[in-house]
Amino acid sequence: ILNVEQSPQSLHVQEGDSTNFTCSFPSSNFYALHWYRWETAKSPEALFVMTLNGDEKKKGRISATLNTKEGYSYLYIKGSQPEDSATYLCAFNSGTYKYIFGTGTRLKVLA
Amino acid sequence: SQTIHQWPATLVQPVGSPLSLECTVEGTSNPNLYWYRQAAGRGLQLLFYSVGIGQISSEVPQNLSASRPQDRQFILSSKKLLLSDSGFYLCAWSPGTGEQETQYFGPGTRLLVL
Repeated sequence: ILNVEQSPQSLHVQEGDSTNFTCSFPSSNFYALHWYRWETAKSPEALFVMTLNGDEKKKGRISATLNTKEGYSYLYIKGSQPEDSATYLCAFNSGTYKYIFGTGTRLKVLA
Repeated sequence: SQTIHQWPATLVQPVGSPLSLECTVEGTSNPNLYWYRQAAGRGLQLLFYSVGIGQISSEVPQNLSASRPQDRQFILSSKKLLLSDSGFYLCAWSPGTGEQETQYFGPGTRLLVL
């Protein structure tokens, strides 16, 4: 059974703080790792697709790294803003049409 | 541009009643389509996916079924709902060009089975 774990489960940070969270996934049969942001009352929205070991992707204040050999990805948010409050999901893909999602990290940025 | 619709947005159904949730995609052809469920306190669980009309792959044995009667229409059904079917159901599509595809999610249906 393939397992994708995210930590922490939830996180409260002050506005302006930088933060990061982790997605752990199987290190074998890796094909792609996806990050999504899921805001309350909205649909999950794609942030990054990562495929190569050592990949680093960036979108504004949000960036992500990938280590396929040890099976983890980090998502970083620099200078958190209240609008960053959301649940951040990662999804592992082993080259099939099946995506295995983690349970997410719920981020709350306090003004 | 592509859009994805789901309905209804919210549904309260008694145990043993039937279910039909509908998902349609606009602005693309031959997409891959997916049904996910998020139960309380759990992650998104893939229920079904489809790579073409009439083709359905089931990921989890359960009392739910899916159908794809048209290219951009995906339906989730049950003949008799169980309490454990309560949850948030999301439909998603991807372009159908490869396995690294980003998925685009609909607004979801919240189902409460009483």
